[in-house]
Amino acid sequence: KAGVTQTPRYLIKTRGQQVTLSCSPISGHRSVSWYQQTPGQGLQFLFEYFSETQRNKGNFPGRFSGRQFSNSRSEMNVSTLELGDSALYLCASSLAAGGSNTGELFFGEGSRLTVL
Amino acid sequence: GENVEQHPSTLSVQEGDSAVIKCTYSDSASNYFPWYKQELGKRPQLIIDIRSNVGEKKDQRIAVTLNKTAKHFSLHITETQPEDSAVYFCAVYSGGGADGLTFGKGTHLIIQP
Repeated sequence: KAGVTQTPRYLIKTRGQQVTLSCSPISGHRSVSWYQQTPGQGLQFLFEYFSETQRNKGNFPGRFSGRQFSNSRSEMNVSTLELGDSALYLCASSLAAGGSNTGELFFGEGSRLTVL
Repeated sequence: GENVEQHPSTLSVQEGDSAVIKCTYSDSASNYFPWYKQELGKRPQLIIDIRSNVGEKKDQRIAVTLNKTAKHFSLHITETQPEDSAVYFCAVYSGGGADGLTFGKGTHLIIQP
């Protein structure tokens, strides 16, 4: 069974640009979560999608958005990029949608974004 | 929202010794507590988890203990080996789930030969 796939793996953008990252979950997983990983802040929750609906959202500005498609693939978009957006963006999929049935998150290898 | 604090940020132990990493959380409604291991340049992977109705769980050399009253949980690794060197993240999932899974800032575990 294929793991979580994220594209692109690396990208460089300049301030003010926008970027779209893609995540294909493990087959059969309907929940997709996104995290921002930086050396100083660890893993910070961006949002979670289940069956094309955003269930939870972290404390990030409105420049960060996402969506999920009917095949469970997800994209996240960051508009008007800032230097501080440079990070590794990790996507994770799981069978469960949270609550008492929360189960293992399977992470992708991430998309490393550098903003110049 | 949930606040998770993880200590220490760096832990160096001699090979064969034990390592303990501790996390505290703020939301008493939290009910799921996983630990993830991230080796250098690799993705985080679940190593063990515990739910709020259990006080302790073991899996070979690793164990997790949960104190709901004090709102803290710990990861214990015994007989440490070089392959245990990694960054370990604790995480907490609140019952309401509004914040998703909140992670601690991580502990860099270094196993000295």
